[in-house]
Amino acid sequence: KAGVTQTPRYLIKTRGQQVTLSCSPISGHRSVSWYQQTPGQGLQFLFEYFSETQRNKGNFPGRFSGRQFSNSRSEMNVSTLELGDSALYLCASSVEGGRGSEAFFGQGTRLTVV
Amino acid sequence: SQQGEEDPQALSIQEGENATMNCSYKTSINNLQWYRQNSGRGLVHLILIRSNEREKHSGRLRVTLDTSKKSSSLLITASRAADTASYFCATDLLFSGGYNKLIFGAGTRLAVHP
Repeated sequence: KAGVTQTPRYLIKTRGQQVTLSCSPISGHRSVSWYQQTPGQGLQFLFEYFSETQRNKGNFPGRFSGRQFSNSRSEMNVSTLELGDSALYLCASSVEGGRGSEAFFGQGTRLTVV
Repeated sequence: SQQGEEDPQALSIQEGENATMNCSYKTSINNLQWYRQNSGRGLVHLILIRSNEREKHSGRLRVTLDTSKKSSSLLITASRAADTASYFCATDLLFSGGYNKLIFGAGTRLAVHP
């Protein structure tokens, strides 16, 4: 069974631009979560989607948004990029995202904002 | 603030030795998961332990959970150079208000020398 696939693996963007990252979950998994990892803040939860609905959201500004499609694939978008948005963005999928669900992560997208 | 805190922050051992990493958390949890990360890449799921479990094994890994002390430990026995990585604990809070919102600790950097 294929794992979680994130594309692209690397991105370089300029301040003020916007970016869209993609995540394809493991087949049969309906919950997709997004995390930001930086050296200073560590791993922080962005949001979680299940059946095309956002069920949970972390403490990030509105510039960070996401969506999930009917095939469970998810995208996250960051608008008006800032230097501080440079990070490794990780997506995780689980069967239903309920209590006790194991979350499996992709390889991440490394975003560099210059 | 982060829910989980790993101890130690860094650990350096020789191949064949055992490595023990600890994780403490602050509030009640549904489960606790351990992950490994190699050089800023994706997170690899190691093991999930539920709040009503005290110990779990997987190969050379042994995880314990003490909910009264709000702590968990990960033991890697007979370590190998390939175990060199950062190890994170992640807690699924009992009252997170949603699903699959994992709160990560800062991680332990393990270096295993040949």
